[in-house]
Amino acid sequence: AQSVTQLGSHVSVSEGALVLLRCNYSSSVPPYLFWYVQYPNQGLQLLLKYTSAATLVKGINGFEAEFKKSETSFHLTKPSAHMSDAAEYFCAGNTPLVFGKGTRLSVIA
Amino acid sequence: DGGITQSPKYLFRKEGQNVTLSCEQNLNHDAMYWYRQDPGQGLRLIYYSQIVNDFQKGDIAEGYSVSREKKESFPLTVTSAQKNPTAFYLCASSIGTGGPDTQYFGPGTRLTVL
Repeated sequence: AQSVTQLGSHVSVSEGALVLLRCNYSSSVPPYLFWYVQYPNQGLQLLLKYTSAATLVKGINGFEAEFKKSETSFHLTKPSAHMSDAAEYFCAGNTPLVFGKGTRLSVIA
Repeated sequence: DGGITQSPKYLFRKEGQNVTLSCEQNLNHDAMYWYRQDPGQGLRLIYYSQIVNDFQKGDIAEGYSVSREKKESFPLTVTSAQKNPTAFYLCASSIGTGGPDTQYFGPGTRLTVL
């Protein structure tokens, strides 16, 4: 069974700094991988998804993620953090979706 | 506007009572899902349905029940058998091809047991 692991339950960055949120997956077959964002007391919104078409996936709000099979990773990055990026981020994979436990991103002014 | 609606947004229940959470979608999606979210636990799948009149248990189905009589609706009942029902409940839907479907989420219902 596939599992998804997010490293770090809380990440804090300064405004304008690089955002890096880590996700590793375990699977014996090519996975479907997603990143979602959740603002307080709201549902989840899709940031981006990997479907094997390209290893570098660009999403909304300037986020992107790179699928690395050799490292079984799908880390989420953004070159420059903005205050509005503060939220909880979830990595998920497969069908039905299996979610990581989430990483809360704080952005410091 | 197409989307997923969940009602109510906040729900309070006394111990021993059953309660039903509503989920409706007008996206014409075949598949619908229910998740439970607890702090630090991520989302855990309760039930999912890929077609009308059919549904499957997820990882934490005990103490919950669902029905799928209409394509648009997938209500979740939290029964008195659920030992710790206080949580944030999220409904989602997807096209349902069995491949890398994007799941679209509703705004959630926060259930508190008093």
